[in-house]
This record gives sequence, structure tokens and C-alpha cells, in this order.
Amino acid sequence: DTGVSQDPRHKITKRGQNVTFRCDPISEHNRLYWYRQTLGQGPEFLTYFQNEAQLEKSRLLSNRFSAERPKGSFSTLEIQRTEQGDSAMYLCASSLAGGGSPLHFGNGTRLTVT
Amino acid sequence: GEDVEQSLFLSVREGDSSVINCTYTDSSSTYLYWYKQEPGAGLQLLTYIFSNMDMKQDQRLTVLLNKKDKHLSLRIADTQTGDSAIYFCAEKKEDNFNKFYFGSGTKLNVKP
Repeated sequence: DTGVSQDPRHKITKRGQNVTFRCDPISEHNRLYWYRQTLGQGPEFLTYFQNEAQLEKSRLLSNRFSAERPKGSFSTLEIQRTEQGDSAMYLCASSLAGGGSPLHFGNGTRLTVT
Repeated sequence: GEDVEQSLFLSVREGDSSVINCTYTDSSSTYLYWYKQEPGAGLQLLTYIFSNMDMKQDQRLTVLLNKKDKHLSLRIADTQTGDSAIYFCAEKKEDNFNKFYFGSGTKLNVKP
């Protein structure tokens, strides 16, 4: 079990630049979630895929954010024209479908926008 | 998440028991989870409980659920310094999208 992996672990970028993060879920998991976590807070839901279908996006997610999961395996999260308020930890999690299947998280990508 | 509340801090001595509390507001929540987060890392699943259960025990961890009061607790027996971390309670709502909602976390400090 290789777990959920995220790349990169850290990203520092200047305001206005675009960034892209990658998540590789646990291979047999068909659900994939993106969460954002700021200091002192719990994870906040951003978006969710079942296989390749993006089933929901948070209303908090501006149109500068886009996520894809083209073949139902890995996923990417892109942030265009980054702002300082985008600085946060971006967490990816995966799970099996159905019942109480829990989320399994990666170690996150910490984004710092200067 | 605004529907899940936790106290911010808990400090205990090594060897004592720790009890971390959580309240949730949605009676339709069917699964409740406890996660642990160490600095710079993601969330590690500790345990979870189905809402038709009152208690679940797993080694040093005991989860108690009071569905009437919408109260969940995590008891850690014989707390060790390695248990120092932030603990998150989460609920899963059985809406169409199976979203998980997290509390703001309880920072557990274990003093030697």
C-alpha cells in the first residue's frame, strides 16, 4: 500500500503566477477529494471526484481554481493568477465508494504566495 | 467546519488519560471519524464509528458516541509524548456527494 502521494510538498510562488499540484490516490480508490487547510483550522472541502467525474465543487472555490482527474486515477489542482490569500496547505484524500469508507490523506502541498 | 465543534487545547501529563470532545449538529450524520495530524503532515485516520454504535475500542483508543446529545469523544489511555498532535473530529453526511466535514481540531500537548 503506497498510500496517497502529493507533489510537490512545498511550492513558493509570486502573486499572479499559476501553480499546479498533483495527487496520486490509493490505486483501488475511486473517490478523490481536494481539501484546503489554513493555520489553526480543519480541512475545508474544495472538490470531489468519483472516477473521472467531478461531482461537486465548493462555492468557496473561485473560478481561478480548476481540478481534473482525466483517467480516473491521478488528479491535478491548478490555481491561476495566485493571490496571497491562496497560501495554505492543499490536501488530497481518496476513499472507496459507499458506506463509511474513510478518507485517506496525503501529506499535502504547502503553497506560499509572496 | 461550522457544524462540528471542538475545544482548541488539551494538556495532560504522560501516563494520564486524555479525553477529546466533539459536538456535531447534523442528526443525519451516519459516520463519525477521528484523525490525528502531526506538524507538516496530512491527516492520519485513527478510528471511526457508525452512528448505531455507542462505543468502539481499539487498543489505547476508546470512542464514545452520544447520539441524543450529538456528542463524540475520543479517549486515549496511557497518553505518551508521541500522542502530542492535533486531533480532528469529522462527520460524514449522507447527502448526494458524501462530503466529510471537519472540526477545527484540538491540540493535545503531553507533558513528560
